[in-house]
Amino acid sequence: DAKTTQPTSMDCAEGRAANLPCNHSTISGNEYVYWYRQIHSQGPQYIIHGLKNNETNEMASLIITEDRKSSTLILPHATLRDTAVYYCIVGGYNTDKLIFGTGTRLQVFP
Amino acid sequence: DTGVSQDPRHKITKRGQNVTFRCDPISEHNRLYWYRQTLGQGPEFLTYFQNEAQLEKSRLLSDRFSAERPKGSFSTLEIQRTEQGDSAMYLCASSLSGRGGDEQFFGPGTRLTVL
Repeated sequence: DAKTTQPTSMDCAEGRAANLPCNHSTISGNEYVYWYRQIHSQGPQYIIHGLKNNETNEMASLIITEDRKSSTLILPHATLRDTAVYYCIVGGYNTDKLIFGTGTRLQVFP
Repeated sequence: DTGVSQDPRHKITKRGQNVTFRCDPISEHNRLYWYRQTLGQGPEFLTYFQNEAQLEKSRLLSDRFSAERPKGSFSTLEIQRTEQGDSAMYLCASSLSGRGGDEQFFGPGTRLTVL
C-alpha cells in the first residue's frame, strides 16, 4: 500500500502557483519524498525529490515540514501543460521500486 | 521523449493468447523496471532488473508472466494465456543505479486490451 495521502483533485488558475500537499506521517528517517507526474496517456515523469531540506529545481519546489510528516510540491507559475496527475512517493535513497498511490489530479484552467 | 522506448504501443489480443512486449532502456542505465497501470489507478510495480539479474518480483506477477533481460540491455515481458483482467497499460522504466535519487525514466507504455 502507498505510504502517502493526497487530495484526489485540485484546480489552479493559469499563471498562479499550484500547491499540492502530501501527507506521509509514517515516513522513516532514511526515506526520501519523491514527486512524479503523469500527463494523460504518457508515462510518469520525475519532478523532484528531497529528504529534509527544501529543494528547488527548474520544474518545481519541494517544501518538507520539520517533522517530515508532510510536504508540499509547488509549481510557481502553473501552465495548461501542467495539467496532470501528481504522485507523491516515499522511498529509499536508491529506491528499487516506486509505490504509487492514486495521486492528485491537477487541472489548470485559463 | 525520455529515451526509453516500448514496442508495441498498442496490442489487442484474444483471451488465451500469448503476448510479448519489449522495452529498450536508456543505454547506460543498468536498472530496468516493469509496472502495470489500470484505469484510474497509479502504476503498480511488477519486477525489476539490475543488468541481467531479476532482483525482485511482485506478487502481482503470476506464473503466467515472465520477464527477461538477457544481455542487460533490452527487456521483454511475456504474458501467457492472457485473461481479460490483464488489460492494462504496461510501463517500463530505467535508471542509473547509484545515481542520486535514482530517478526513473519511463517509456510511453504498451496498452494491452484482452478481448
